[in-house]
Amino acid sequence: ETGVTQSPTHLIKTRGQQVTLRCSSQSGHNTVSWYQQALGQGPQFIFQYYREEENGRGNFPPRFSGLQFPNYSSELNVNALELDDSALYLCASSLGAPSGTSGKGTQYFGPGTRLTVL
Amino acid sequence: AQSVAQPEDQVNVAEGNPLTVKCTYSVSGNPYLFWYVQYPNRGLQFLLKYITGDNLVKGSYGFEAEFNKSQTSFHLKKPSALVSDSALYFCAVRDMNGYNFNKFYFGSGTKLNVKP
Repeated sequence: ETGVTQSPTHLIKTRGQQVTLRCSSQSGHNTVSWYQQALGQGPQFIFQYYREEENGRGNFPPRFSGLQFPNYSSELNVNALELDDSALYLCASSLGAPSGTSGKGTQYFGPGTRLTVL
Repeated sequence: AQSVAQPEDQVNVAEGNPLTVKCTYSVSGNPYLFWYVQYPNRGLQFLLKYITGDNLVKGSYGFEAEFNKSQTSFHLKKPSALVSDSALYFCAVRDMNGYNFNKFYFGSGTKLNVKP
């Protein structure tokens, strides 16, 4: 398998609550990306972190935020949860700087966290 | 903007027959294309990628993909399908420009059904 781990596996929250999802990247990978996969759809890019800084963001509101730690693990935080936030949240890690020719790394995905908002 | 399209929601094939899952792309600059597979309630597993070089790319589990620049396509193929290949397949293109460098754009997915 890929070596990317995510926790928790499943989570149930109610509208208005806040949630934190966690991701440990594959050994040696320094870039972490987060995706939201709604039922029946392809993954949608939320944002990416490289060396503890956000380095790319998709069309998601500011209530979606993240962190990357010195060991390259990462968190996704979602505030003021809405029903439409129910989805599979995927973390992917890759090796290499986002810019330059070394940044051609394949993204390896974790198993995901299934978030249900009631 | 970068994008990929998977025109078929579902592909049905008999075990032992060849399979093709279609993908077309639209990119500015050189395309960096990927195929991933997703089994129920699982994350995405990397199958293969095209960066440069030979137009026929070989990947995991006997899959291969053919890059066609003139048709802007990157179809996934396998000479002989297995029942265990039944899953959801995603084509993706990697953004190589600007702030969203390394962002992957995924297609909507194609469900492959391989029948015994």
